[in-house]
Amino acid sequence: EAAVTQSPRNKVAVTGGKVTLSCNQTNNHNNMYWYRQDTGHGLRLIHYSYGAGSTEKGDIPDGYKASRPSQENFSLILELATPSQTSVYFCASGGTNERLFFGHGTKLSVL
Amino acid sequence: QQKVQQSPESLSVPEGGMASLNCTSSDRNFQYFWWYRQHSGEGPKALMSIFSDGDKKEGRFTAHLNKASLHVSLHIRDSQPSDSALYFCAAREESNNRIFFGDGTQLVVKP
Repeated sequence: EAAVTQSPRNKVAVTGGKVTLSCNQTNNHNNMYWYRQDTGHGLRLIHYSYGAGSTEKGDIPDGYKASRPSQENFSLILELATPSQTSVYFCASGGTNERLFFGHGTKLSVL
Repeated sequence: QQKVQQSPESLSVPEGGMASLNCTSSDRNFQYFWWYRQHSGEGPKALMSIFSDGDKKEGRFTAHLNKASLHVSLHIRDSQPSDSALYFCAAREESNNRIFFGDGTQLVVKP
């Protein structure tokens, strides 16, 4: 089955610090996505990408940047982390009109 | 406003019973729908897609789409305790690859 790997699995950061969440897929999918999951809000789209070099804003991009340096890798960057960004973050990849494959998630706590 | 709305928020059914989950969208740009399931501590996994009006059956799972009303449903017959999970409806915008998820329905199947 298609594989999506996220790192780290858990992260504790300080307010104002920089956080980078990494995602790697070996499925050769063009599309990659970053979501956050909070109780009562389901999965909310932060950024997505059509392919290497492209990043697009999702529904809640404020406070986040994304980087897609290659087909396989898609990073989510929090330049100045805030406690409101404490959440579980999921990366996913997929082809157009195909199912998404998700990683196991990164639990981020910003203190 | 949430682009994809799900109901109910939670649902409890007896083992062997039928579970019915609902999803609606007010945005006619959404034409492609999926159902995903997430067990605790894992990333969501796709159950099935539905793109055409009518029913689509895969084993114990049946999805129904009414494009005119933008209503999608998922019916699980002969529910098993292992079906207990958080179920998401997801929709893709017609014009791009943005994929939006609802807030989820928590299903509990009681032995």
